[in-house]
Formats: sequence, structure tokens, C-alpha cells
Amino acid sequence: AQTVTQSQPEMSVQEAETVTLSCTYDTSESNYYLFWYKQPPSRQMILVIRQEAYKQQNATENRFSVNFQKAAKSFSLKISDSQLGDTAMYFCAFIEGLPGGGADGLTFGKGTHLIIQP
Amino acid sequence: KAGVTQTPRYLIKTRGQQVTLSCSPISGHRSVSWYQQTPGQGLQFLFEYFSETQRNKGNFPGRFSGRQFSNSRSEMNVSTLELGDSALYLCASSLTSVRVAGITGELFFGEGSRLTVL
Repeated sequence: AQTVTQSQPEMSVQEAETVTLSCTYDTSESNYYLFWYKQPPSRQMILVIRQEAYKQQNATENRFSVNFQKAAKSFSLKISDSQLGDTAMYFCAFIEGLPGGGADGLTFGKGTHLIIQP
Repeated sequence: KAGVTQTPRYLIKTRGQQVTLSCSPISGHRSVSWYQQTPGQGLQFLFEYFSETQRNKGNFPGRFSGRQFSNSRSEMNVSTLELGDSALYLCASSLTSVRVAGITGELFFGEGSRLTVL
């Protein structure tokens, strides 16, 4: 079974700073996908970024980028020029690629509560 | 286009009671999946309904059940409530199965129902 570990329960940074959230995962599969989801105080989970394991290039979405280290099974999220609206819970998630198992979809980490201070 | 709607947003029950939560997916989506979110366990998959049929079920006791109607709206029911059932219950909708949607990132979440069991 796959596991996803987020070792930072909470982080706090000043507005405009850069922050990195850590995530490690464990799998024996070679075909899989990794995600970061954001859950603001409104509680609605929103996809931030998606990474395909077979792609060596790190995914980026505006101020959000990842550092994907496949051999180390590490998938960190970097937020540049942090904004007050980035305050949220951030969840790292994993799913095997088709046609593998894991019929119940995403496996989530326990989350990191990120607080952006003004 | 309306998003995923969950009702009620908050509710308080006592041990031994039962509760029914509702999820209306995005129009045209046939899959509704449910998750339990707690601080200790993070997000855990409960079950998925696709075209009125339960496709997958997570590792939860039989007290947790659900159904899906012909208009794709879904309800989940928890009977004989326990203190440990206090959680945020999230639903997600997708056009395809939760498995495929999880891979493509086309999984859309509601804002959840916060259940407190006293």
C-alpha cells in the first residue's frame, strides 16, 4: 500500500517570502502521479499542481513549483512571493497510473497548515 | 456552472444517533466520492458511487453507507454515531470514475459537512 508523509504539521512565514512544504511517499510502482491540493478556510479542496512521475521536468504553476526527486521519493512544493491568500492546509497526494490498482483513487498525506503572516 | 454542493455545512449529533449528509455534484458528473477528514488521520476514502452503483468502498465499518440517485445526487448515512465519527465529510464529483479523475486532476470537491458528535 502506498503511503504519503508530510512531516510539517504547521508552518508560518511572512508575506512575500518563499516557503517550501515537504512530502515523501512510498511506492513500488513506477507509473504514478503526484499532486498538491490546497484547502483554504472555506474547506474546498483545490488542485494546485500535478506531476507525472515519468516526467523529469518539475511542474510549475505561476508562483507554485515542485521539486520532484523520484529516487528519493520526495515531492516538495515551493511557493514564491507568498500572499495572504495562500494561507490554507496543503495536502500532498499520490495515485498509481493505469492500469494499476488503487481503485479508490488518491492517497493523501495528513496535511501542512501554512500561515502567511502580514 | 454550479460547483459541488454539500448540505448541511454544520451539524451536531449525540452518540447513538444517525446522520444523513447530501452531496449534489456538478451538472453532468456521474461519479460522487466521499472522504472523511480528521486531524489525526487526514483524508480517508469512504466510497464512490457511479451511475447509482457503489463502485468502491474504503476501510470503514458497515455503519457508513451511501446511495446515489438517478440525478447523480448522493447521500451518505452514518448510523449509531460514535465520538470518533466527528469529522469533516467531503464529497467530490467527476465526469469519469474517481480513479481516472484522480489521475487527470479532474476531481472537484465540495466545502464539506462538519459533523460533531457529542
